[in-house]
Amino acid sequence: GQQVMQIPQYQHVQEGEDFTTYCNSSTTLSNIQWYKQRPGGHPVFLIQLVKSGEVKKQKRLTFQFGEAKKNSSLHITATQTTDVGTYFCARSGGSNYKLTFGKGTLLTVNP
Amino acid sequence: DGGITQSPKYLFRKEGQNVTLSCEQNLNHDAMYWYRQDPGQGLRLIYYSQIVNDFQKGDIAEGYSVSREKKESFPLTVTSAQKNPTAFYLCASNSGGHETQYFGPGTRLLVL
Repeated sequence: GQQVMQIPQYQHVQEGEDFTTYCNSSTTLSNIQWYKQRPGGHPVFLIQLVKSGEVKKQKRLTFQFGEAKKNSSLHITATQTTDVGTYFCARSGGSNYKLTFGKGTLLTVNP
Repeated sequence: DGGITQSPKYLFRKEGQNVTLSCEQNLNHDAMYWYRQDPGQGLRLIYYSQIVNDFQKGDIAEGYSVSREKKESFPLTVTSAQKNPTAFYLCASNSGGHETQYFGPGTRLLVL
């Protein structure tokens, strides 16, 4: 249905290593949004992808939207301790504009 | 300052008691949303409102109620019918459509 599957659920890295989280859907996505939630905090919007094959960068973060618009990824290059948190993808639900969130990937970084 | 405020930050509920969580925004957003977050479950939509005096059930509305009498306010009542209310509750708003959602700081509800 309208769910999005995120993998992995958890990822622990050494500071300086790269990190990638994936978001997959069985149906075509009209768009995909990414949010970051720091421990104890609230989700904060990172980016929205709309076009097939779209790639957007924010400093060390690279966001991709698949050609078939059924998957997306977030890649962080050379992680830092400030990257710690849970990263969520979210899809919008057609005409009612609901957002359906994935379960998130919790990233921890060892300094 | 513009933004979304939620109160209280922590709330304790006794068995059989109704409690109301506050959510206020001064962003002039039309749409407001309530989510519940449990560990490992992500965010699940409880209720949403796209315009004043109108709201729709989300995916887990049972045991909850809302009202939207003012554009700025979207309070959530956790009723005694909600058997497992302990969770982190997040309110969000946006200008509608597929626009970015802005989240409040959340309320942690604990059952005594």
